[in-house]
Amino acid sequence: DIQMTQSPSSVSASIGDRVTITCRASQGISSWLAWYQQKPGKAPKLLIFAASSLQSGVPSRFSGSGSGTDFTLTISSLQPEDFATYYCQQANTFPLTFGGGTKVEIK
Amino acid sequence: QVQLQESGPGLVKPSETLSLTCTVSGGSISSYYWSWIRQSPGKGLEWIGYIYYSGTNYNPSLKSRVTMSVDTSKNQFSLKLSSVTAADTAVYYCARERADSSGYYYAYWGQGTLVTVSS
Repeated sequence: DIQMTQSPSSVSASIGDRVTITCRASQGISSWLAWYQQKPGKAPKLLIFAASSLQSGVPSRFSGSGSGTDFTLTISSLQPEDFATYYCQQANTFPLTFGGGTKVEIK
Repeated sequence: QVQLQESGPGLVKPSETLSLTCTVSGGSISSYYWSWIRQSPGKGLEWIGYIYYSGTNYNPSLKSRVTMSVDTSKNQFSLKLSSVTAADTAVYYCARERADSSGYYYAYWGQGTLVTVSS
């Protein structure tokens, strides 16, 4: 299975901060990567697909980059509703696998 | 707008079979790949597998215990997981990929249902 490793596991940030989350795949996955946001008690919400494509309805302050094994999710200016846990997921090889999550907390 | 809703028992005894159903509204189940994903504190998010009109694809780690099926007359698909243990305690989600089938990226999710394995 392809292992997805996210860092950091948690980050404390303030409103307006730029936040960057990293995801590393244990082998190359081209651009077959998604990012999700999850709030407590809710299902994950798709933010980014194909590494850098913004899902419809998602604010443009979210962006994704990377290919191969190293990927980044950036929130350009953190808003109150962005405090949540973020997951990456590889869609290159079965079984599909997810990262362990990064919790974005209020500083 | 496609909506998914899981249903099934919230408590299952060890060694028994977990059975869940996902009801799809706002779209036909005859297209797309319909998936199950679970989330537990110990293992995070885990892809269980998918079913589509002509086949299935299961996670090898669960393959020997998983069966998925579709009922097109009810616009539902189902998950059965046999011989459950406490390690199968999780929130179970049904999900579907984006409408343009651009890859296995899950744009549609049910609200999730907690299944606890305990005697």
